[in-house]
Amino acid sequence: DADVTQTPRNRITKTGKRIMLECSQTKGHDRMYWYRQDPGLGLRLIYYSFDVKDINKGEISDGYSVSRQAQAKFSLSLESAIPNQTALYFCATRSVSNTGELFFGEGSRLTVL
Amino acid sequence: AQSVTQLDSQVPVFEEAPVELRCNYSSSVSVYLFWYVQYPNQGLQLLLKYLSGSTLVKSINGFEAEFNKSQTSFHLRKPSVHISDTAEYFCAVILYNTDKLIFGTGTRLQVFP
Repeated sequence: DADVTQTPRNRITKTGKRIMLECSQTKGHDRMYWYRQDPGLGLRLIYYSFDVKDINKGEISDGYSVSRQAQAKFSLSLESAIPNQTALYFCATRSVSNTGELFFGEGSRLTVL
Repeated sequence: AQSVTQLDSQVPVFEEAPVELRCNYSSSVSVYLFWYVQYPNQGLQLLLKYLSGSTLVKSINGFEAEFNKSQTSFHLRKPSVHISDTAEYFCAVILYNTDKLIFGTGTRLQVFP
């Protein structure tokens, strides 16, 4: 089983719908991240969390919200999806003791029609 | 603000040829530098990193990168590429004592037989 698991892996939805992407990890890491990948733009940070009670906005948090339900779970929500949120979304984790080394899930491809 | 520039969006090369993927960064303070690789339909994984010490760092599969502070560069090189090196490569930086990893826009390396 993967250390960082994302569900769903693929989702097609309509404009205005609420969508939740879930991430769970078995690595025991405190820090978790949500990134968005778009062709030609690389990865951009949406939200990150140092622990259950510490959540921080990244560079493109507008239109998104997150919930850190437990150390191992970090969910990303789109309250009212719009077409320009069509992208590949990645969850990642990191150990406090390991500078810069993120462990990524396999991605969730979201299409908003 | 810090930023990462990968000037080449695509690099086509024949098998066994040398390759260099360029990365430049801008920051007024000390940084840590990373190269991540993304194989098709997978998440990113760490290829190599520079934190301190020797400016030349190497990966287990033959890639190397050299930190050049005066030129603010961290170019990735391999003397002889293989078909299996076909992937997208991302340069990333993190400011000393911060937690946000900032990615470049990526370079797609395509190795032809």
